[in-house]
Amino acid sequence: DSGVTQTPKHLITATGQRVTLRCSPRSGDLSVYWYQQSLDQGLQFLIQYYNGEERAKGNILERFSAQQFPDLHSELNLSSLELGDSALYFCASSRRDSGVTDTQYFGPGTRLTVL
Amino acid sequence: SQQGEEDPQALSIQEGENATMNCSYKTSINNLQWYRQNSGRGLVHLILIRSNEREKHSGRLRVTLDTSKKSSSLLITASRAADTASYFCATGQFSGGYNKLIFGAGTRLAVHP
Repeated sequence: DSGVTQTPKHLITATGQRVTLRCSPRSGDLSVYWYQQSLDQGLQFLIQYYNGEERAKGNILERFSAQQFPDLHSELNLSSLELGDSALYFCASSRRDSGVTDTQYFGPGTRLTVL
Repeated sequence: SQQGEEDPQALSIQEGENATMNCSYKTSINNLQWYRQNSGRGLVHLILIRSNEREKHSGRLRVTLDTSKKSSSLLITASRAADTASYFCATGQFSGGYNKLIFGAGTRLAVHP
């Protein structure tokens, strides 16, 4: 158990809908990262927040947005969902703001299925 | 696009044998990390090697890094059935104005009892 929690575990929805994925980092970790894992694209970095502020951006679509709240939990919002958005979405956390030199601790993921 | 490329894509061995996975990358890096993922679950950090290091050990794991060839290898010695998982290399790099971890496509390792 990494100490990172994600809810829900599974999410099934229809095209065009909007969903919110939630992540709670390990106690004491200030950075949260979001990743998307799909069969064709592999594991893609989406976005990083550090202590409430956006720190780094990856291949995140404009239909997707995220935020980190004062209690450090984070939410990833996916809107106008398409079939291709079906994937595993992982959240990870680390102590500091360096997503490169810090160990990242991954949550169990949310499996999103868009029908 | 993916930065690290693992080789082989899949590896099947018997318990007790050694498993070697390779990773190649394209641009300069700050460090290289190896992660493990059991089927459909979250990734677990295994080891980090900095760009100025050539070799690192952790238990049954040995990682090497050759920055001149832009490649790394992960050796698991005396493998066990519990080592069955996918293994990913991730390169830490500065790209697009940010520091990011870029993951490869992974090697699926199956260790048979």
